Amino acid sequence: TQLLEQSPQFLSIQEGENLTVYCNSSSVFSSLQWYRQEPGEGPVLLVTVVTGGEVKKLKRLTFQFGDARKDSSLHITAAQPGDTGLYLCAGDNTDKLIFGTGTRLQVFP
Amino acid sequence: GAGVSQSPRYKVTKRGQDVALRCDPISGHVSLYWYRQALGQGPEFLTYFNYEAQQDKSGLPNDRFSAERPEGSISTLTIQRTEQRDSAMYRCASSLYSWDRDRYLGETQYFGPGTRLLVL
Repeated sequence: TQLLEQSPQFLSIQEGENLTVYCNSSSVFSSLQWYRQEPGEGPVLLVTVVTGGEVKKLKRLTFQFGDARKDSSLHITAAQPGDTGLYLCAGDNTDKLIFGTGTRLQVFP
Repeated sequence: GAGVSQSPRYKVTKRGQDVALRCDPISGHVSLYWYRQALGQGPEFLTYFNYEAQQDKSGLPNDRFSAERPEGSISTLTIQRTEQRDSAMYRCASSLYSWDRDRYLGETQYFGPGTRLLVL
């Protein structure tokens, strides 16, 4: 069974702080995605990384795909209350997406 | 534009009853996925279709669960003889594969609002 473990599971921080969320697996994925889910809504795609070592930036969010394509990280700079939500990584094994365990982020003003 | 829709949004049923959950994907999307999601956790894969063909049903918990997509568009997830442990949010997603010439860019899944099932 392919598993994607995310850490930390929960994160509560003050506005303006930086944070990093990790997504780790023992399996290799053809691509890896990050989603954000807000209460009562479905997950919404933030980014897809495809190449090992790839780094993508989306405003204050920086996503990195590990060289071996087994892990990824999401770094948020100067977090804002609007960043609050459930962050999910998902690995594409070309058959289906395997979702991570999730990181619930709460940013307080 | 129309996104993925699911119905009903909420379903309360008594233990032992059958329920049918419907998913209407984005028009033209080839793949359709069913997930179950517990609060605060990632979606748990149940099954998926390419067009009308069920490609993988390895995530269905047991034989009380079944899914179909007879015309390659709308899909129905059926749970027979419901049990309290079936209570959960059931989500559907349809997807689009992205390519840049010969380079595979990944699959983007678009999720529906979900059906919250409560089995009493």
